[in-house]
Formats: sequence, structure tokens, C-alpha cells
Amino acid sequence: TQLLEQSPQFLSIQEGENLTVYCNSSSVFSSLQWYRQEPGEGPVLLVTVVTGGEVKKLKRLTFQFGDARKDSSLHITAAQPGDTGLYLCAGGEGTYKYIFGTGTRLKVLA
Amino acid sequence: EAQVTQNPRYLITVTGKKLTVTCSQNMNHEYMSWYRQDPGLGLRQIYYSMNVEVTDKGDVPEGYKVSRKEKRNFPLILESPSPNQTSLYFCASGSLGLYNEQFFGPGTRLTVL
Repeated sequence: TQLLEQSPQFLSIQEGENLTVYCNSSSVFSSLQWYRQEPGEGPVLLVTVVTGGEVKKLKRLTFQFGDARKDSSLHITAAQPGDTGLYLCAGGEGTYKYIFGTGTRLKVLA
Repeated sequence: EAQVTQNPRYLITVTGKKLTVTCSQNMNHEYMSWYRQDPGLGLRQIYYSMNVEVTDKGDVPEGYKVSRKEKRNFPLILESPSPNQTSLYFCASGSLGLYNEQFFGPGTRLTVL
């Protein structure tokens, strides 16, 4: 079974600061997804990346898939309180089996 | 409204008493999956299904059964629940392919005493 390690586990920052969350594995994934989960709800997909080196932007969020497809990062610019939540990365093994990271709990203070 | 529904949302039961958690989606998705979420362990995939009558094991299938008799439904069955199955369970559905966007249900919190 492949493992996905996320860091940091917890992050508390002030509104307006930038941050980066990392998702690392020693194994290669066919795809890498990032989700955000709010308390009491299921995860909601933010982005899927499938090509090594791929960079995708979603407003203030920038996602990158490592060249070797073993790692990924999520960068948030000028964080806002609405960004608060649990961020999860998920690596695809083939197309339908997924390995989730343990998550990064982000709190953005106003 | 496009959604994945799970029932029940909360369940407290005792060891050994068979239970079923239902999952239904109205998006005509081929793919459906069950996960459990535990503190410090994240989400772990239990079973998934690529179509009617096609199911496969995820990372933690022991103690669970699933069935996919209809495209929209994917129930999770615990034949003899044990306390180590106390967890938060999520059902998800999605379309096939690398860009499979999984839509998650609201979760079922199960406690086995």
C-alpha cells in the first residue's frame, strides 16, 4: 500500500499570509487530487492533476504535481478566514483506487 | 439537486448486530466508493465499484461487504460489527477516468459498543 504524508499537520496563520501545504510519497501516482473538508461534511474536490510538473491555479490557490508524480503542493496566497478547513490530498492508484493523506488542518485568523 | 445521500447519519449499535448503511446518488455515476475516516489515519478506502455488479477491494475491506445491484445504490454491510469499526463513513460517487471527480456524501457516524 502506498502512503501519502502531508505536512504540516496543523497550521494557524493570520489573514493575508501565504502558506504552502505538502503531500509526499515514495511511490508514483497516476493522478493527484486535492480536497477541502469542512466540519460535519464530506470532502469537496478542489483540483485533479495528472501530468508530472503540472501546475493548476484556482483563484488564490496554486497546485503543483511533482515531475516524478510522487509529490504535490498546494500554495494559498493571501489566505482568508474562508480558507479555514481540512485539506486532503489523494493519490490515484490506477483510476479508481485512492490513497488519502492524513490531512492539514488550516485555520486562518481574521 | 445533484447529491449523494447516506442513511443513517448517526448510528449506535452493539457488537455483532448486523447493519447496513445505504448510499444513493442521483448523478448517473458509474463509480461509487466507501471510505472510513479516523483521527490520525485520514480517509481509507474500503470498497469501490466501477459499475453494476462490479466491485473491488480498497485498502481496508476486512469486516465489510458491499453490493451494486443498481447503478444508483451502493450499500455498505457490516455482518458482525466490532468496536474497531467505530468510525465516520463516507460514500462517494464519480464518473470514470483519470479526472474522476468524487462527490462525497455527508457521512455516517457509527459507534459500535
